[in-house]
Amino acid sequence: GAGVSQSPSNKVTEKGKDVELRCDPISGHTALYWYRQRLGQGLEFLIYFQGNSAPDKSGLPSDRFSAERTGESVSTLTIQRTQQEDSAVYLCASSLAFIRGQETQYFGPGTRLLVL
Amino acid sequence: KQEVTQIPAALSVPEGENLVLNCSFTDSAIYNLQWFRQDPGKGLTSLLLIQSSQREQTSGRLNASLDKSSGRSTLYIAASQPGDSATYLCAVLTGANNLFFGTGTRLTVIP
Repeated sequence: GAGVSQSPSNKVTEKGKDVELRCDPISGHTALYWYRQRLGQGLEFLIYFQGNSAPDKSGLPSDRFSAERTGESVSTLTIQRTQQEDSAVYLCASSLAFIRGQETQYFGPGTRLLVL
Repeated sequence: KQEVTQIPAALSVPEGENLVLNCSFTDSAIYNLQWFRQDPGKGLTSLLLIQSSQREQTSGRLNASLDKSSGRSTLYIAASQPGDSATYLCAVLTGANNLFFGTGTRLTVIP
């Protein structure tokens, strides 16, 4: 089966514009994560979805960031009024189920966002 | 807050050498530790996952150990190959579903 896919692969936008990033998890995976990686830095956790539970938004850096997930399928990460500091690679991951200590996360190729 | 450190930041070795990558974390209250490789232009590939109750995991030429009490993990790569060249990341899973990543070790294996 297909792995985690993300679109677009690259996005260049102007400061102040809104962007929407898409993630298609592996079919059947109930958990979905968004991370970002700024140049030269490690990955930062952004948000976590598990089934129909309320998402864990504790990693979102500001209220300009939001994410949605339809059931156990596609997720979109929206960044409003983009700033240059939002330039990063945004990674999505999914896992079969959240059984603490046993889950393996499978990552997509990422979306490279450049804010001019 | 959990902090994950990887040493060295970069490593260059000739083909065939055995090597060790190091990962340390500040809070030992983890559920698991995972090693990934990241190739340019591609996503992360999971290599090994060690549960908090385990001491090590092996897959092919890779062996990862975990000493939770001291907050350390090592990834041992035997008989390195040019195809092993990549950035290696370790990550720990803590409560509230947070996965904390290190900044990685960039490995170059010279043919």
